[in-house]
Order: sequence, then structure tokens, then C-alpha cells
Amino acid sequence: RKEVEQDPGPFNVPEGATVAFNCTYSNSASQSFFWYRQDCRKEPKLLMSVYSSGNEDGRFTAQLNRASQYISLLIRDSKLSDSATYLCVVDGGSQGNLIFGKGTKLSVKP
Amino acid sequence: ETGVTQSPTHLIKTRGQQVTLRCSSQSGHNTVSWYQQALGQGPQFIFQYYREEENGRGNFPPRFSGLQFPNYSSELNVNALELDDSALYLCASSQHRGTNEKLFFGSGTQLSVL
Repeated sequence: RKEVEQDPGPFNVPEGATVAFNCTYSNSASQSFFWYRQDCRKEPKLLMSVYSSGNEDGRFTAQLNRASQYISLLIRDSKLSDSATYLCVVDGGSQGNLIFGKGTKLSVKP
Repeated sequence: ETGVTQSPTHLIKTRGQQVTLRCSSQSGHNTVSWYQQALGQGPQFIFQYYREEENGRGNFPPRFSGLQFPNYSSELNVNALELDDSALYLCASSQHRGTNEKLFFGSGTQLSVL
């Protein structure tokens, strides 16, 4: 089993749609969880941290299920500017080691 | 703009050569991490430096080495380049060394090995 697995997509959705990304991770000792966003040929940027209680930032909602080792990201009312690759990130348990998934590509169309 | 700068932006080398990539961390950040991102993959952790000492290392061979300087800038050195080393090399700085720290990435160095 890969350390962090994501559906690679692409997800092609119309503006205004709601889209959900899923991610599973293998290390039950992981304590830190994140979603990063990466635009084409650019560096990754932190979108949001993910907490056990779930957290929301505007149109974005992240959920963590430790028992199932599952993380999700929900984007409501998709905008054209949301088009990017979304990377699920989990700490590897040792110093400095963050493990990135391959990313899920989202394309929002007019 | 994250305040993390990397140089050069692009580099072409041939197999067997050596390369040095440079990174200036964001002001106030004492920790620098290096990642390799191959095409179509997520970034893979190479190593992290905290206050001039290696603080953790991923699954990369010894020909990948690094340095951190007193001003917290950093270098990544790769010896005996192989074709599979072709990738985007990302440097990220953070305020502290914990894994719950927000990473600020530079724009990366695109390395092509021919």
C-alpha cells in the first residue's frame, strides 16, 4: 500500500459545482495532515491543515477520519481559479518528513 | 511570494556530472527542507536541515548531500547525475522543524539530465 494515495483525476467540473477529493494514508502514527495546492509548473502552497474535528475555510472543508486513515477535501461553489492540482500531505513520523500524495488534478470549466 | 528563493531556475546537465542547487530561506526561518518532484508525482522528501545540522533524511542515496549555512540558506548537491534525477527540486523553509509547521516553498529548480 502506498503511503499516501489519491485519485489522480482529472476532475472536470463546471463552475459552481461541489467537488470532493479523497485521500488515504498508511502510517497510523501520523499526527499532521494538510492539503496543499499546486498550480501548473509552480510550487505547492498550503491550502489548509486538517484537524480531527474537521475544519472549514470559506468554500473549503477538510475532514480527517483517523480510524479509517482517510482525509477529504470538499470545495463548494467551484471557481475557475480553483483549477489546480490538490496534494494530500501527511507527516511520515520522523523529523522533517512530510509525505505527499501524487495529487488530484481539478479543472473547473465555465 | 513566499520569500524563499532558489537558483538557478533551470539547469541542464549530462549523466555523471555534479550539480549544486541553492536556496535562501524566508527571513526568520531556521529550517530548510529539500524535495524532489518528478513529472506527474508528488514531491518526495530528500532531507531537512535545522541550524546547520541534518535533521532527517528520506530514501535518497548518499550522492544527494546538503549544507546549511549560518544565515540558514542551503545547498543541495547531487553527484554522479543519473537520467532519473531529472525533476523539479523544491526547497521549503519553515519557522521550526516540527512536521506540523507550515512549509513555504520556493519556485524550484528544474533539472534536466541528458
